[in-house]
Amino acid sequence: QQQVKQSPQSLIVQKGGISIINCAYENTAFDYFPWYQQFPGKGPALLIAIRPDVSEKKEGRFTISFNKSAKQFSLHIMDSQPGDSATYFCAATLFNAGKSTFGDGTTLTVKP
Amino acid sequence: DAGVIQSPRHEVTEMGQEVTLRCKPISGHNSLFWYRQTMMRGLELLIYFNNNVPIDDSGMPEDRFSAKMPNASFSTLKIQPSEPRDSAVYFCASSRWGASYEQYFGPGTRLTVT
Repeated sequence: QQQVKQSPQSLIVQKGGISIINCAYENTAFDYFPWYQQFPGKGPALLIAIRPDVSEKKEGRFTISFNKSAKQFSLHIMDSQPGDSATYFCAATLFNAGKSTFGDGTTLTVKP
Repeated sequence: DAGVIQSPRHEVTEMGQEVTLRCKPISGHNSLFWYRQTMMRGLELLIYFNNNVPIDDSGMPEDRFSAKMPNASFSTLKIQPSEPRDSAVYFCASSRWGASYEQYFGPGTRLTVT
């Protein structure tokens, strides 16, 4: 049973535009919601993360919006740049289980 | 400070052969995770260890897969016998579970089984 659903599967955005990736989860016990960024040939790396008691977190051009009642969260990339072209994974973490469940990933292409 | 180290980076083997992937986690990290990534199935958690003890191996696809963590600085993932459908990129990740929940991923091992 997939616990984290991510959309879209792929996204093409023009340079300077806003990229938006959405995730939905089912288990209300999740404690932590990280986003990972993966470049070709590399392992995923933590980009930004949020706890469910916060509705929004911003770090530079990257913002997570969190809607606890809807069990949804999203990543917004403002002023998208070609260097942002990568695969993005959302995840949901259960602290007491010691592991994270990952979404299927979104391949973002930012066209110059 | 060295990150997670995986070896080999690339492995090409024939069906039926034994394959061993290796991982050295970041020093001081107490949890270690093995993932498999394919286009079809995305990023799958195979098994994870906490303080060298396997906690959840429900993601291990078959008995052909086994993983060990004999000490805090080394883990192996073994496939015996290997099959073409095992071709994937295998990632090892580590974290300081309880202090920080960020997982640090290694560069991966690209396995091709012909």
